[in-house]
Amino acid sequence: AQKVTQAQTEISVVEKEDVTLDCVYETRDTTYYLFWYKQPPSGELVFLIRRNSFDEQNEISGRYSWNFQKSTSSFNFTITASQVVDSAVYFCALSGNAGGTSYGKLTFGQGTILTVHP
Amino acid sequence: NAGVTQTPKFRILKIGQSMTLQCTQDMNHNYMYWYRQDPGMGLKLIYYSVGAGITDKGEVPNGYNVSRSTTEDFPLRLELAAPSQTSVYFCASSYSPQRSNQPQHFGDGTRLSIL
Repeated sequence: AQKVTQAQTEISVVEKEDVTLDCVYETRDTTYYLFWYKQPPSGELVFLIRRNSFDEQNEISGRYSWNFQKSTSSFNFTITASQVVDSAVYFCALSGNAGGTSYGKLTFGQGTILTVHP
Repeated sequence: NAGVTQTPKFRILKIGQSMTLQCTQDMNHNYMYWYRQDPGMGLKLIYYSVGAGITDKGEVPNGYNVSRSTTEDFPLRLELAAPSQTSVYFCASSYSPQRSNQPQHFGDGTRLSIL
């Protein structure tokens, strides 16, 4: 069975601070995909990044960066110089072997509520 | 381009009533999914479909039914609403992972309360 754990339930920071959201996953698949989604107060789900299990390169996109470490089964997300607009719930998710029977089904973590204060 | 459209956006039901949550997508995606999100929790998969006429259970299917008669539509039916089904429901769609690297596209959600 697959499992995604986001140990941080809530994080509160002041604007311009850097913040890292942790994600640890469990899977028996050798090929899998990891995702981060953002859910702002309006409720919709906004896709941020997808990473496959063969690609351990870190990625940076503007103020966002992701650190994928297969050895520790972690896929952490860092926001640099946080802004009030970053306040949202952030979900880490896992999809199993694309060539097998996972059919793209996503297993989500419980989410981390990030509040950025001005 | 509408993407994934869910209706209604909000609904209040009485215990024992039935209803259908509608989901339609205009991206010609063959895979579609229904998730529920309970307060303070992540999303859990209810049912999914890999094409017209093919559906299968996810993690939390009890109390729900689905059908997939067309590529575009994937309705979710609650037959006997129970308070435990109070949740926000998300529909999503995608190409098959083997065909595309694109992630799932999500609808805006249906907020359902059972009283």
